[in-house]
Amino acid sequence: GAVVSQHPSRVICKSGTSVKIECRSLDFQATTMFWYRQFPKQSLMLMATSNEGSKATYEQGVEKDKFLINHASLTLSTLTVTSAHPEDSSFYICSAHGWGTEGEAFFGQGTRLTVV
Amino acid sequence: GENVEQHPSTLSVQEGDSAVIKCTYSDSASNYFPWYKQELGKRPQLIIDIRSNVGEKKDQRIAVTLNKTAKHFSLHITETQPEDSAVYFCAATRVGGFKTIFGAGTRLFVKA
Repeated sequence: GAVVSQHPSRVICKSGTSVKIECRSLDFQATTMFWYRQFPKQSLMLMATSNEGSKATYEQGVEKDKFLINHASLTLSTLTVTSAHPEDSSFYICSAHGWGTEGEAFFGQGTRLTVV
Repeated sequence: GENVEQHPSTLSVQEGDSAVIKCTYSDSASNYFPWYKQELGKRPQLIIDIRSNVGEKKDQRIAVTLNKTAKHFSLHITETQPEDSAVYFCAATRVGGFKTIFGAGTRLFVKA
């Protein structure tokens, strides 16, 4: 299947700092990428939909000024958690869809963010 | 908005028994229903999927059924093994890069 690479896999940051997470499609062009957040023992909650070359679409309740998403190319989307706080600590995971992937989502490895 | 409900939240079975997980979806436009297995701290792995033009699909010990009229779909695992223990998520989406809505997950324990 298609490969999606997400970095970093783990990050610890101080409260008030910003963290950038990258999601790359390695062997296909991802027209659409999705960002999810997963708290312990919970499901994947969609945060936003990222379309190449346009503004991201955020789900209700997700602060767009806090979670900045950029999808500048067909192979890269970034999520920046700005002014992170301990309650932002979570597992963040991206998924990508490309031409002809017929609905299947290809997931990155996920990023474990801990804000101290 | 779109919603996917999944039951049960926890399922414990003896090795060799069958496990069934059920989901319902709300968006009648959904036409692709993947199932994912997620181990602790790892990304979800696609284990089987079904499209709206079929009612059943099987892959070795895993099968999925779909009832479009009732908006129900189910995962069946036969001859369960300890390594099947994980969290399983159902999901619903539309082919063409639409967002995937996940169920709440089922934590499956297979006791040896």
